[in-house]
Amino acid sequence: NAGVTQTPKFRVLKTGQSMTLLCAQDMNHEYMYWYRQDPGMGLRLIHYSVGEGTTAKGEVPDGYNVSRLKKQNFLLGLESAAPSQTSVYFCASSFAGEIYEQYFGPGTRLTVT
Amino acid sequence: SQQGEEDPQALSIQEGENATMNCSYKTSINNLQWYRQNSGRGLVHLILIRSNEREKHSGRLRVTLDTSKKSSSLLITASRAADTASYFCATGPGNTGKLIFGQGTTLQVKP
Repeated sequence: NAGVTQTPKFRVLKTGQSMTLLCAQDMNHEYMYWYRQDPGMGLRLIHYSVGEGTTAKGEVPDGYNVSRLKKQNFLLGLESAAPSQTSVYFCASSFAGEIYEQYFGPGTRLTVT
Repeated sequence: SQQGEEDPQALSIQEGENATMNCSYKTSINNLQWYRQNSGRGLVHLILIRSNEREKHSGRLRVTLDTSKKSSSLLITASRAADTASYFCATGPGNTGKLIFGQGTTLQVKP
């Protein structure tokens, strides 16, 4: 099993450009999450999904959109990238909610210039 | 806002010593989890302790939970250089589907 995979691993964008980060899991997990990690800030939840076709806002959702069309995939979109979105983005999945452990992907390092 | 606050922010010890990290949180929880993050990698789950448990062990890890003080501690015994990483606590408030992560403790174990 590959677990949780993220594509791409690195990306550099110019201000105003758009991109989509892809997260895939092969563990048949219901819940999926997108976090961003900034120095000294820990992990902050952007959006999450409790099942195929559902999405919900997390702590810092502004400037991001998500979609969960298939159970195994969770996409994070940046419509118009800003320098403040420079960060490391992590995807995670869990069997069913906060009473279960989360499995994390390796991260995507995004720089917006 | 962050739910969990880890203390200390950074810790440096010699190999073989014990390392203790603390986590405090603000609201009631269903469970508390500890994760490890090696530099440049994703987080890895270490241990989960439920709100009705007071202590839990896993190998060289010992976690305690005091719900009256809204705090938890992670003890790593007989530390190794490979334990060098950042450690995060995460709380599950219950019925939200989400975990809230603290800012982490960076542990350096010197050989």
